[in-house]
Amino acid sequence: AQSVTQPDIHITVSEGASLELRCNYSYGATPYLFWYVQSPGQGLQLLLKYFSGDTLVQGIKGFEAEFKRSQSSFNLRKPSVHWSDAAEYFCAVGARPGTASKLTFGTGTRLQVTL
Amino acid sequence: NAGVTQTPKFQVLKTGQSMTLQCAQDMNHNSMYWYRQDPGMGLRLIYYSASEGTTDKGEVPNGYNVSRLNKREFSLRLESAAPSQTSVYFCASSEPENEQYFGPGTRLTVT
Repeated sequence: AQSVTQPDIHITVSEGASLELRCNYSYGATPYLFWYVQSPGQGLQLLLKYFSGDTLVQGIKGFEAEFKRSQSSFNLRKPSVHWSDAAEYFCAVGARPGTASKLTFGTGTRLQVTL
Repeated sequence: NAGVTQTPKFQVLKTGQSMTLQCAQDMNHNSMYWYRQDPGMGLRLIYYSASEGTTDKGEVPNGYNVSRLNKREFSLRLESAAPSQTSVYFCASSEPENEQYFGPGTRLTVT
C-alpha cells in the first residue's frame, strides 16, 4: 500500500528566507506525486505535480519540487518566502496505472511566516 | 466555470440524524471523490467514483453511502450521524490519472 510521510508538523520561517518542506513516500513503482496548499477555511489548491520526465518540477507561486527516486522523496522548495505563503501544505502520492487517481495524503505541514 | 461546488458549507446534526452532502463539477471530469479531513490526519478517502455508474470504497467508508447521480454530481450520505463523523468533508474531481480539483469543503459537526 502507498503511504506518505511529512515529518514536519509545523515550520516557522522569516519572510524572505528559503523554505524546504519534506515529503517521503512509499510505493512499489514510480508514483504520481503532488503538492497541494490549503489556506485557512479553504479547499486544496494544486501547487505542482510529477508524473514523469524531468525530476525537478516547477509550480505556481514560485514553488518547485524535486523527485529523488533513490531517497523516495519529493521535497518542496521556495527560494524566498512571502507572508502570503502561510498555509498548510500537503504532499500526496497517487497509484499508477488505474482508472482513477486514488491519492494518499500526508498529514500536512503548517507553515508560519514571520515578518 | 465554477469548478467543484459543495453544499452546504456548514451543518450541525444531532446524533442519529441523516443528511446528504452534495457535490457538483462542471469540468466534465470522469472521476469524483469524497474525502474527510481531521486535524493531524490529512485527508482520507471515503469513497470514489472512477466513472459515471461506478463507485468504490476508499480508506474510511464505514457509516457513509454515495451516489453518482450523473457525470456532474456525486453525493455523500450519512444515514445515522455519529460524533466521530464530525469533520470537514471535501469533494474532488479529476480525469483518470491526473490531478484532482477540490471543492471548498463542508464543515460538519455532530453533537
